[in-house]
Amino acid sequence: ETGVTQSPTHLIKTRGQQVTLRCSSQSGHNTVSWYQQALGQGPQFIFQYYREEENGRGNFPPRFSGLQFPNYSSELNVNALELDDSALYLCASSLDSPSSGANVLTFGAGSRLTVL
Amino acid sequence: QKEVEQNSGPLSVPEGAIASLNCTYSDRGSQSFFWYRQYSGKSPELIMSIYSNGDKEDGRFTAQLNKASQYVSLLIRDSQPSDSATYLCAALFGNEKLTFGTGTRLTIIP
Repeated sequence: ETGVTQSPTHLIKTRGQQVTLRCSSQSGHNTVSWYQQALGQGPQFIFQYYREEENGRGNFPPRFSGLQFPNYSSELNVNALELDDSALYLCASSLDSPSSGANVLTFGAGSRLTVL
Repeated sequence: QKEVEQNSGPLSVPEGAIASLNCTYSDRGSQSFFWYRQYSGKSPELIMSIYSNGDKEDGRFTAQLNKASQYVSLLIRDSQPSDSATYLCAALFGNEKLTFGTGTRLTIIP
């Protein structure tokens, strides 16, 4: 299957809860990046994984964590949810190496998280 | 802090006219620039990438890069209602990850 798929598409949580978002990379891509996009803003880089290791992190607290699996799929975990975590979470895959920075990203449709 | 700045708009352009979207970036060392289109409620999709000074054309789209002025633009010729979307400018700063601007909302008026 081609393309980046994300699940769930929408979810609602309450403050203090934990959430796990999932992403399947485009076939052949070895790198996955996660972005947070608040309403009316551009995507903000959370972190990137290359071959199951974190390869760069943006300005997000440690309660944002991730995993990449041998099949290059990925998870984003957010603990102790806060109201400001409400956003569209975008997963993007690319074919990279650790030293290359982000090349062309292919985005998934996103997971829209609402924290009440 | 490395930044990409865009006018958030909204920008309204009559159908058939040229839409001009602009972007500036803070790091003179940046080498790679991208324009993404994002329809409401959808994910960003890549329209153009540009790495060298000058113009790069692809169909109705032309990206322009001026590294001396730290300026990137996107021109859309013969604008169509289907071009109505938010356009995100992004830059790659060294080995850091892709940095996006806040996006410009474009509306094509039939």
